[in-house]
Amino acid sequence: QSALTQPASVSGSPGQSITISCTGTSSDVGGYNYVSWYQQHPGKAPKPIIYDVSDRPSGVSDRFSGSKSGNTASLTISGLQAEDEADYYCSSYTSSSTSVFGGGTQLTVL
Amino acid sequence: QVQLVESGGGVVQPGRSLRLSCAASGFTFTTYGMHWVRQAPGKGLEWVAVIYYDGGNKYYADSVKGRFTISRDNSKNTLDLQMNSLRAEDTAVYYCARSLYSTSSRPCLDYWGQGTLVTVFS
Repeated sequence: QSALTQPASVSGSPGQSITISCTGTSSDVGGYNYVSWYQQHPGKAPKPIIYDVSDRPSGVSDRFSGSKSGNTASLTISGLQAEDEADYYCSSYTSSSTSVFGGGTQLTVL
Repeated sequence: QVQLVESGGGVVQPGRSLRLSCAASGFTFTTYGMHWVRQAPGKGLEWVAVIYYDGGNKYYADSVKGRFTISRDNSKNTLDLQMNSLRAEDTAVYYCARSLYSTSSRPCLDYWGQGTLVTVFS
């Protein structure tokens, strides 16, 4: 159950697009279309923004989108806004019927 | 509205035990799987355990297997986490979270509590 690999930080200017990667193995990310993404602001509980690779929960902006290729999933945020500045975590189902999170990515909006 | 309220956190010495609880309200608790997720101070999220809607299936992270036990009381709408043989590395905020699914470990967690802090310190 090794943590999924995410970049420690990414940054972008308002209005730009950024992409955060999440790399696992064929036993987790690559084996199932069960990758979720969460947004966490400081001192707050995580909030789901993507389920099952690319499904957005109700109420989540369509500026957030997800995809997957092989063992790597990606979260893209378009039209960056100041309130997008947060930590982002991916999570995947695994072949052991467990879940695993990525190490998290800190997004800075310049 | 859906509410998840954790309790039971505190300071405990290494090797001792602690029991966390999560009180659920605002939804039909008996039809949802439930997860525990933790976050060490200044660190990322770590998945801990899942229990299916009826308590019939439970799965654990390797880091807690054999030491932690997840359980639920559907008559009281509560989720518990019994933590034994605690270690310094178990220090974290522990969140309970509702799954979208009743019988899957898929990490689709739609509602989270605010967390309870466990500090393992000698």
